[in-house]
Amino acid sequence: QKEVEQNSGPLSVPEGAIASLNCTYSDRGSQSFFWYRQYSGKSPELIMSIYSNGDKEDGRFTAQLNKASQYVSLLIRDSQPSDSATYLCAVKLRAGSYQLTFGKGTKLSVIP
Amino acid sequence: DADVTQTPRNRITKTGKRIMLECSQTKGHDRMYWYRQDPGLGLRLIYYSFDVKDINKGEISDGYSVSRQAQAKFSLSLESAIPNQTALYFCATSDPDSSYEQYFGPGTRLTVT
Repeated sequence: QKEVEQNSGPLSVPEGAIASLNCTYSDRGSQSFFWYRQYSGKSPELIMSIYSNGDKEDGRFTAQLNKASQYVSLLIRDSQPSDSATYLCAVKLRAGSYQLTFGKGTKLSVIP
Repeated sequence: DADVTQTPRNRITKTGKRIMLECSQTKGHDRMYWYRQDPGLGLRLIYYSFDVKDINKGEISDGYSVSRQAQAKFSLSLESAIPNQTALYFCATSDPDSSYEQYFGPGTRLTVT
């Protein structure tokens, strides 16, 4: 089983809709979770971090964490064409490890 | 000015050549990382360093070496470049007080012919 899994997409949503991006991870002991946005040819940009079960909101972005199900998601409300990018899920998988393990990313396309 | 800078931004080199990629940061972070990104394979960790005297291998360190010249500088070397090292290379930094959040430089696109 891959350690951090995401659907590669592409995920297409109309402008103004809610985009839902999902990520599952293998290590039940994981405690830190991150979402990065990466535009084509650019570097990953941290947009959300979440550490506790539940929802965390920041503007149009909401991160949701369910440790029992080993599942983290990112919701983007009122999607804009400028949100079109690849979204990377990153997880600190093991206690005592300082590394992040990245999923391969989900490509989001917001259609005007 | 950018907090994390990488030089060069683009490089084309030939098989067998030695090449060094450099990373500098003004964020004051102790931890620095080198990743490569390939289409379909995602980001993979090459090396990481927690301070000048602490260097650790990542997932794919074979064929690479690093040097941490100062808290702010972390270089990646390819001693004898090969075509399958063609990739996008990113440097990242993190602050141990910020719960493992990592911040990336702009990347170096390396092509080995």
